[in-house]
Amino acid sequence: ILNVEQSPQSLHVQEGDSTNFTCSFPSSNFYALHWYRWETAKSPEALFVMTLNGDEKKKGRISATLNTKEGYSYLYIKGSQPEDSATYLCALRDDKIIFGKGTRLHILP
Amino acid sequence: DAGVIQSPRHEVTEMGQEVTLRCKPISGHNSLFWYRQTMMRGLELLIYFNNNVPIDDSGMPEDRFSAKMPNASFSTLKIQPSEPRDSAVYFCASRLDGGNTIYFGEGSWLTVV
Repeated sequence: ILNVEQSPQSLHVQEGDSTNFTCSFPSSNFYALHWYRWETAKSPEALFVMTLNGDEKKKGRISATLNTKEGYSYLYIKGSQPEDSATYLCALRDDKIIFGKGTRLHILP
Repeated sequence: DAGVIQSPRHEVTEMGQEVTLRCKPISGHNSLFWYRQTMMRGLELLIYFNNNVPIDDSGMPEDRFSAKMPNASFSTLKIQPSEPRDSAVYFCASRLDGGNTIYFGEGSWLTVV
């Protein structure tokens, strides 16, 4: 059974602070790891897809790293802004795509 | 370009009624996924189709749930009879074979009272 774990479940961060959270997954049979950002009442939005060990991706203030050997990925947000408040979903792909439960990020003004 | 289109966006129904959720994937995409989002379980994969054929329905919670994909541009997820514990957001998503990213619809928000 493919199990994707995300931590923490919920996070409150002061505006302007940087933060990061974790996605853990079984390191065997790895194909690709996805990060999505989901705001309530909207479609989950793809942030990154990473396939190679050591991959690092960046999009503005958000970046992600991947370690397939130890089975984890980190998502970093630098200088949090109110618009970063959302649920961040990690997903592992083999023949289907299995999601973690997400990290719900709240940015405090 | 149109994304994944789901309907209805919101549905409130009474326990015991039949619910049908609809999805139009992105044109040309070969794979279609139905997910259910709840606070307790997060985003669960219910079923996915490839080239209109159901490949894995192991996530479908019970016989009350059924899904069909009669053609490449349409899929339905049906719940009959519905129960209050079915209340959730149901997402449809599609992907082009060979591509990594799946694209989500905006979800169907179901409340069963």
